[in-house]
Amino acid sequence: EAQVTQNPRYLITVTGKKLTVTCSQNMNHEYMSWYRQDPGLGLRQIYYSMNVEVTDKGDVPEGYKVSRKEKRNFPLILESPSPNQTSLYFCASSLQLLSYEQYFGPGTRLTVT
Amino acid sequence: AQKITQTQPGMFVQEKEAVTLDCTYDTSDQSYGLFWYKQPSSGEMIFLIYQGSYDEQNATEGRYSLNFQKARKSANLVISASQLGDSAMYFCAIRRGGKLIFGQGTELSVKP
Repeated sequence: EAQVTQNPRYLITVTGKKLTVTCSQNMNHEYMSWYRQDPGLGLRQIYYSMNVEVTDKGDVPEGYKVSRKEKRNFPLILESPSPNQTSLYFCASSLQLLSYEQYFGPGTRLTVT
Repeated sequence: AQKITQTQPGMFVQEKEAVTLDCTYDTSDQSYGLFWYKQPSSGEMIFLIYQGSYDEQNATEGRYSLNFQKARKSANLVISASQLGDSAMYFCAIRRGGKLIFGQGTELSVKP
């Protein structure tokens, strides 16, 4: 089944403890992206990647890192999480940059205390 | 800067009636793409419809159509024959290069 998977789905952590949220797609998509969703703000793009080893900042990249060493994986790294990073995170992928349909993962709900 | 505005935080519609969800955007780009996504209470994001800035015809996908008025910079979503399962959050988004910018969303409630 074609899908985007994220792990973990739920995470409660403490300020400053490094964490990684994994994202994997099995559709051989070139384009992958991370978003955060906060009430009243919609989804905001954190980082995106147009292909392996090609990443770029979205609108809210501060406090986050990403890497794209393999086509299928695009992990989101929080080196020192803070409470303002408490949010719902979505990973998404599409065949190419200009493909009109993005496939979203199920979301990861992160709470930083 | 890119901006997407959805002015209706919440809307109600009677089952089987049509409803229009508003979306206006602000861009100086000539080439861009406009999207609508649905987010039911279960949380997943579901792609509904896409309109390219150079597409001359309004996009349609089943009961969904996009009323694209380029000069007015609006891309309203029209849902015909509303169903109870259409109750959800709806997000409009604009793509510029690799970036996708979302509006704040409209919560649609369909009444039986």
